Amino acid sequence: QSALTQPASVSGSPGQSITISCTGTSSDVGGYNYVSWYQQHPGKAPKLMIYDVSNRPSGVSNRFSGSKSGNTASLTISGLQAEDEADYYCSSYTSSSTDVVFGGGTKLTVL
Amino acid sequence: EVQLVQSGAEVKKPGESLRISCKGSGYSFTSYWISWVRQMPGKGLEWMGRIDPSDSYTNYSPSFQGHVTISADKSISTAYLQWSSLKASDTAMYYCARGGLGEYYFDYWGQGTLVTVSS
Repeated sequence: QSALTQPASVSGSPGQSITISCTGTSSDVGGYNYVSWYQQHPGKAPKLMIYDVSNRPSGVSNRFSGSKSGNTASLTISGLQAEDEADYYCSSYTSSSTDVVFGGGTKLTVL
Repeated sequence: EVQLVQSGAEVKKPGESLRISCKGSGYSFTSYWISWVRQMPGKGLEWMGRIDPSDSYTNYSPSFQGHVTISADKSISTAYLQWSSLKASDTAMYYCARGGLGEYYFDYWGQGTLVTVSS
């Protein structure tokens, strides 16, 4: 069981917006602004999409945005495109025995 | 251009030892942590531990402490992940990833090293 809880799958049609949630506790997501999101296409390495809750690295489309409320962080993808179909993982710093924890991952299907 | 280049796929037997590598280039290797992340077949990402190449300070996830060793040779900008006795359950893709000092995200990733442990 992963430390952070994500939905197993989400789907949307091209042009629509979707949101992926990432629920933790006050020891991780809720207690620190160190939530990051990664995109992973099949057979590829993960790619950083959002860091420190809502910051986008250079080169990442502004269709990707992040936010947090309480113990739940969210990744929103607007204007869905076929190329967005991938697995998405959240991650957070945690004050528990391990510094970094990942969510279980969410498979995004673009219909 | 920042790059992390990992060593190639390995096929090993249970009980054998193994060391895989991750070579950084295009940046100051001692200015960033290197973490290792496991991905078992069809599963999610798991943080294993990390090293500060400037002084080789390490910290591990309790799930991996004692079973793997993370090290680095800053003279050749290379980090390592090592097993002394592999198990079939170590079969997975292993990624190295760069993290900033005091940061908890990974901005560059290696291409992954597939380790297969089978008798």
